[in-house]
Amino acid sequence: DAGVTQSPTHLIKTRGQQVTLRCSPKSGHDTVSWYQQALGQGPQFIFQYYEEEERQRGNFPDRFSGHQFPNYSSELNVNALLLGDSALYLCASSFDRANPDQPQHFGDGTRLSIL
Amino acid sequence: GDSVTQMEGPVTLSEEAFLTINCTYTATGYPSLFWYVQYPGEGLQLLLKATKADDKGSNKGFEATYRKETTSFHLEKGSVQVSDSAVYFCALTAAGGTSYGKLTFGQGTILTVHP
Repeated sequence: DAGVTQSPTHLIKTRGQQVTLRCSPKSGHDTVSWYQQALGQGPQFIFQYYEEEERQRGNFPDRFSGHQFPNYSSELNVNALLLGDSALYLCASSFDRANPDQPQHFGDGTRLSIL
Repeated sequence: GDSVTQMEGPVTLSEEAFLTINCTYTATGYPSLFWYVQYPGEGLQLLLKATKADDKGSNKGFEATYRKETTSFHLEKGSVQVSDSAVYFCALTAAGGTSYGKLTFGQGTILTVHP
């Protein structure tokens, strides 16, 4: 049973570019959340997708956008990259968004470096 | 808003020593509380959880008790091993409202265990 998978594992971009990160949730999960983890910090919530819609959003600018597909996989897009966007981007999946007690399962993340 | 505060680290212990990592929280309503662990180069793994006051979560020798009166969820282990070396994150999800299903993390505590 595959867990949460993310691609790519590492990515290097320059300021002003655009990037797309991908996530496949754990089998049977229908909710995907994205987090940004800066070096030495705890993860910060970006947004959550359920039924192909953005249901919640954290304090991130509109440069951060996403999408969820009918197979529950998801993409995170970041436009006009800034140096401060350098971080580990984590995807987490869960089943039944209506029950917050359901644990979220995390992927190993995508390490994004902005030069 | 919701927040989680962890004891400042890093924490360095000898094998078989007793471990305590303090965690306090601020949230409206009755949050669910979690401890996640992150090994080098990996994503987060759920270690244990508690969903209501006085609940004790436990896993792999680790324990934490949900204390509503002190808004705390301290992590403990009676005898640590070298393999426990990792970063530990305390987190919460608030029940209902705009924080539904969103994980709010503390800043993390680095644990290093020496033989």
